Amino acid sequence: DAKTTQPTSMDCAEGRAANLPCNHSTISGNEYVYWYRQIHSQGPQYIIHGLKNNETNEMASLIITEDRKSSTLILPHATLRDTAVYYCIVGFLTSGSRLTFGEGTQLTVNP
Amino acid sequence: NAGVMQNPRHLVRRRGQEARLRCSPMKGHSHVYWYRQLPEEGLKFMVYLQKENIIDESGMPKERFSAEFPKEGPSILRIQQVVRGDSAAYFCASSLRPGQTHTGELFFGEGSRLTVL
Repeated sequence: DAKTTQPTSMDCAEGRAANLPCNHSTISGNEYVYWYRQIHSQGPQYIIHGLKNNETNEMASLIITEDRKSSTLILPHATLRDTAVYYCIVGFLTSGSRLTFGEGTQLTVNP
Repeated sequence: NAGVMQNPRHLVRRRGQEARLRCSPMKGHSHVYWYRQLPEEGLKFMVYLQKENIIDESGMPKERFSAEFPKEGPSILRIQQVVRGDSAAYFCASSLRPGQTHTGELFFGEGSRLTVL
């Protein structure tokens, strides 16, 4: 699995957009970018994933650069409940493989 | 559609006892993954199973740990002769068969927290 690099921590004001960056310069052509988050002591929660195109769902948007070497997760209107560790993971779940979690970014949303 | 169910949520064992953690995947999911999270650390992959098959156990400690996913019933993570270092949160995740509709995203349970006294 390709490695990812994320900032250790970030802060965001409530109601503002939270933009979480991730570098994955060694990503291969068929690897996806996945984002998960873990709210304190809870099980990790799937947020979004993408391959080449930008993606949006009810939780977030994912912007992937054209060269696919980096991406940004956008939470458009952060709330206090979005405070969590956010994991950017690169991989492709084929039979026999699994996702490898790194250290992630601790996002703190402040009132 | 119920999510991934793990039990017990909390388990206390004395050193030397056995711990059994159970995981029922989401309905329709045939792939199960176990991850361990030590206090103040990240998630570490342990094992990946399909029904009746261990696909990848590269993250499992060599001794005392075993996992199974029988044809019927939940997946079981078994830790024999527990030691204090086994105290951790154990998370189970499930997925569809990669390639089916979704591209392999994982759905996690709420975890089982093991405390070894």
